[in-house]
Amino acid sequence: TQLLEQSPQFLSIQEGENLTVYCNSSSVFSSLQWYRQEPGEGPVLLVTVVTGGEVKKLKRLTFQFGDARKDSSLHITAAQPGDTGLYLCAGSRSGGSNYKLTFGKGTLLTVNP
Amino acid sequence: NAGVTQTPKFQVLKTGQSMTLQCAQDMNHEYMSWYRQDPGMGLRLIHYSVGAGITDQGEVPNGYNVSRSTTEDFPLRLLSAAPSQTSVYFCASSNLGQGSNQPQHFGDGTRLSIL
Repeated sequence: TQLLEQSPQFLSIQEGENLTVYCNSSSVFSSLQWYRQEPGEGPVLLVTVVTGGEVKKLKRLTFQFGDARKDSSLHITAAQPGDTGLYLCAGSRSGGSNYKLTFGKGTLLTVNP
Repeated sequence: NAGVTQTPKFQVLKTGQSMTLQCAQDMNHEYMSWYRQDPGMGLRLIHYSVGAGITDQGEVPNGYNVSRSTTEDFPLRLLSAAPSQTSVYFCASSNLGQGSNQPQHFGDGTRLSIL
């Protein structure tokens, strides 16, 4: 059972376009993290959202945590070729093992110049 | 800054061979973990450790062993390699401190092919 569903799985857009990537679950998470992974490298943390309804901005990237803490979205404004990569969401559950992360399958984003 | 170092970067094995994937971190992190990444499957947790001498199984532990004799090192052993273990393996570490909010620091991966 995949606890975190990411959509779309693949996304190819032109430079300057806007896009939104979704991370959904039927389970409640104590926090959600977003990572970006480039070819040949490990994932790198972009942001952690903790509070339901929380919105965080990182330059042209806007992250939102759903009010019920079951879903999250990543919106990129005016995408650049440098935004190309695999975007992964990862959730942490409440309780004794809250350091363990469950990852979604990822969204592979290609931004064409 | 070294961060999390994985060796080797690439490895080809024959079915039935054994090997150890090395992982070392220099950030004094309590929590370390191993993931495998397969196309269309995302990252799946193999084993993890919350400190020296403590290890536990993740989502896909079969065919793998781990040990944590020091805070810095967390090797992953393949006992008898099978083609289904062809994958990219990532080691990660983090503080435990505030629990769920800690960022995971990943190595650059080991690309393993089993023939």
